[in-house]
Amino acid sequence: ETGVTQSPTHLIKTRGQQVTLRCSSQSGHNTVSWYQQALGQGPQFIFQYYREEENGRGNFPPRFSGLQFPNYSSELNVNALELDDSALYLCASSSNRAIEEKLFFGSGTQLSVL
Amino acid sequence: EDQVTQSPEALRLQEGESSSLNCSYTVSGLRGLFWYRQDPGKGPEFLFTLYSAGEEKEKERLKATLTKKESFLHITAPKPEDSATYLCAVQESGGGADGLTFGKGTHLIIQP
Repeated sequence: ETGVTQSPTHLIKTRGQQVTLRCSSQSGHNTVSWYQQALGQGPQFIFQYYREEENGRGNFPPRFSGLQFPNYSSELNVNALELDDSALYLCASSSNRAIEEKLFFGSGTQLSVL
Repeated sequence: EDQVTQSPEALRLQEGESSSLNCSYTVSGLRGLFWYRQDPGKGPEFLFTLYSAGEEKEKERLKATLTKKESFLHITAPKPEDSATYLCAVQESGGGADGLTFGKGTHLIIQP
């Protein structure tokens, strides 16, 4: 059984650019959530996808968008990057939409915006 | 106002020295309270889910408890491999996929 994998592991971008982060869910999981973790902070919920549709969203602007594919893999897209977008981006999968089910996190993508 | 507050921010213990981490929360209705462990450079790893006041769960040297306002993570006779950041998170009731609200974590160091 494979775990949650994210790519790339590290990324450097400049302000104003666009970035796409990728996530492969754990086998058998149909729900994926994305979190942003700034240095020294806890993860902050961005959004959740279930069966290819956005199922819930945290307090993030529309320039943060996502996709979920039929194989339940997912992408996080961020447009018009700002310096404050520098953070660890975590993907988490679960076996259903009920978030009280435990989440399985990937190791994250460390994004630096210069 | 923070919904989840963890204390202390950092804790250094000697191997075998037991202690407790605190998580205070303020939500209108609690669907679940979660404890995760996060090692440097890794994503959080699930430890426990607690649903109602009075509930307790144990795993090896860890025991989590829940009241109506806070949760404790008790660490008994810790070992150096227990060193990590421990994150507390809550999910509010009311339907919808609102995600988990995390605290900032407690950075725990166990010295040999």
